Amino acid sequence: EAGVVQSPRYKIIEKKQPVAFWCNPISGHNTLYWYRQNLGQGPELLIRYENEEAVDDSQLPKDRFSAERLKGVDSTLKIQPAELGDSAVYLCASSSVFGGVSYEQYFGPGTRLTVT
Amino acid sequence: LAKTTQPISMDSYEGQEVNITCSHNNIATNDYITWYQQFPSQGPRFIIQGYKTKVTNEVASLFIPADRKSSTLSLPRVSLSDTAVYYCLVGDMAGLGSSASKIIFGSGTRLSIRP
Repeated sequence: EAGVVQSPRYKIIEKKQPVAFWCNPISGHNTLYWYRQNLGQGPELLIRYENEEAVDDSQLPKDRFSAERLKGVDSTLKIQPAELGDSAVYLCASSSVFGGVSYEQYFGPGTRLTVT
Repeated sequence: LAKTTQPISMDSYEGQEVNITCSHNNIATNDYITWYQQFPSQGPRFIIQGYKTKVTNEVASLFIPADRKSSTLSLPRVSLSDTAVYYCLVGDMAGLGSSASKIIFGSGTRLSIRP
């Protein structure tokens, strides 16, 4: 079974440019997460989807970040315009939910973004 | 919203048992305890999850005392490949549409295994 797929793996852009990250979760997983991980720190949740609905986007900087999960499958995270402080690894994860308890999350390899 | 505290780093040797303790004094009734492992340039990987007492799988054991204010991840007979960062998460892993389901990774424990 294929794991969570993310692309691109690496991206280098100049500040003020837009950038987009794509994620394809594990087939059948209804929950999708986007995280940002700065060097030496744990992942920080940006947004969580249950099917097509964003149920937790409280940590998403909405002035420049946007996300979508059309049809409840793959998802895109966009930054426009990018700032130097956005340099980080962007992780996507997915999970299934059974009986009210969310099972383990499966993470993709991440996209390493460098803003110059 | 339970906050977790873990040691920043730990060192051990191959073949030893390693125990990493996580403190979560404000754990709520509906909160579960989950541990993840992360290698460099990879996303975190689920290790184990529990609610109370003891949980064991093929990789690790999780010990949770009765008051649930702390938990201990136990890795039996570690090898060099167990060198990684280990994260303890506490949260209400509620289901669909629950706004109470908060997921917070701390800074983790950097475990180094020596030959």
